Amino acid sequence: EDKVVQSPLSLVVHEGDTVTLNCSYEVTNFRSLLWYKQEKKAPTFLFMLTSSGIEKKSGRLSSILDKKELSSILNITATQTGDSAIYLCAAYNFGNEKLTFGTGTRLTIIP
Amino acid sequence: NAGVTQTPKFQVLKTGQSMTLQCAQDMNHEYMSWYRQDPGMGLRLIHYSVGAGITDQGEVPNGYNVSRSTTEDFPLRLLSAAPSQTSVYFCASSYRTSGWGGELFFGEGSRLTVL
Repeated sequence: EDKVVQSPLSLVVHEGDTVTLNCSYEVTNFRSLLWYKQEKKAPTFLFMLTSSGIEKKSGRLSSILDKKELSSILNITATQTGDSAIYLCAAYNFGNEKLTFGTGTRLTIIP
Repeated sequence: NAGVTQTPKFQVLKTGQSMTLQCAQDMNHEYMSWYRQDPGMGLRLIHYSVGAGITDQGEVPNGYNVSRSTTEDFPLRLLSAAPSQTSVYFCASSYRTSGWGGELFFGEGSRLTVL
């Protein structure tokens, strides 16, 4: 059975700090690793990574995949209160076409 | 273009009652899925469909039925609700082109409480 593990489960930092969220996966027929941000309602898509070692960047957020270590990190620099959310990692199995999510990291930014 | 629409947004049921959570999308997406979200458990896949007439089980299918008679609709049925089915339910859909990497578009969620 496919498995995705995220750490830490929760994180509290001050505004302006840099954070690193971790995700590891055990997925047969792995194709891609996805990051989502969830505030009050539906998860919203952040990144999809398919190639190892290539960083994807969007403003203060960046992410990279390490296929050798079966893991990914999501970095957020100069954090703002609007970054407070649950960050979800998911891995896609192209064999059975299932997307498996981790339990999420709850990030809280203190002003 | 409404995206993924879920109804109802909130529902309270008594143990043993049945109900259907509706999900509709107007983006001509082949792939549709249902997840439930519980505190500390992340999103867990209940059922999914890769096209009209085709459905398959996810990680936690017991107690739930689905059907996919049209591309647009993917209803989730609870035949006999149990308190363990108290959760927030998300419907999600996507295109399923060659090389698709699993990116999903989510509905706003339906909060179900079973007493």
